[in-house]
Amino acid sequence: GAGVSQSPSNKVTEKGKDVELRCDPISGHTALYWYRQSLGQGLEFLIYFQGNSAPDKSGLPSDRFSAERTGGSVSTLTIQRTQQEDSAVYLCASSLERMATNEKLFFGSGTQLSVL
Amino acid sequence: DAKTTQPTSMDCAEGRAANLPCNHSTISGNEYVYWYRQIHSQGPQYIIHGLKNNETNEMASLIITEDRKSSTLILPHATLRDTAVYYCIVRYFGNEKLTFGTGTRLTIIP
Repeated sequence: GAGVSQSPSNKVTEKGKDVELRCDPISGHTALYWYRQSLGQGLEFLIYFQGNSAPDKSGLPSDRFSAERTGGSVSTLTIQRTQQEDSAVYLCASSLERMATNEKLFFGSGTQLSVL
Repeated sequence: DAKTTQPTSMDCAEGRAANLPCNHSTISGNEYVYWYRQIHSQGPQYIIHGLKNNETNEMASLIITEDRKSSTLILPHATLRDTAVYYCIVRYFGNEKLTFGTGTRLTIIP
């Protein structure tokens, strides 16, 4: 596609339920990032994928959060047993390659997650 | 990554140049300065980046001081569509974790 696509755009769930958020990166982009943004705050790094390398999971806030990237393309962020503090906009970004001097991240429009 | 300091908010008249400052006094020699912006309800958008030299592209200019401790993003002819939060980020080349602060909320006034 022309840009990074995320779905759903909005998700309302009940506390304790599991949710899955999807990201379709730009075709050919090997690097994929997940961030989250709480209301009025900056972006918080969650996880990073690069090709077939092991992902950098150092930003995941707890073991309830996990992510996978299948076939080096689509990624799914899963939050188990959601809590109200998980409410935020979850943003996905992709880039052409990690080590390029002029690497630019292209972001999707995000998934607004609301945990009631 | 080095910490950056930006004003919380700024206003600029439509058609005038918007100059957004950023302090990064602890920057090291191999750290790049990146600027992104985030328009309401959208994901951040890359604007420009540089290491030592001033840079210009179709969106903006980036002026980096000689000691590299501060920089200024210049939008030469601001329009209402430039109203957004602007993030200045200092990033070690090869460090994937782009660390965003709270940025500067720029409002373009008609």
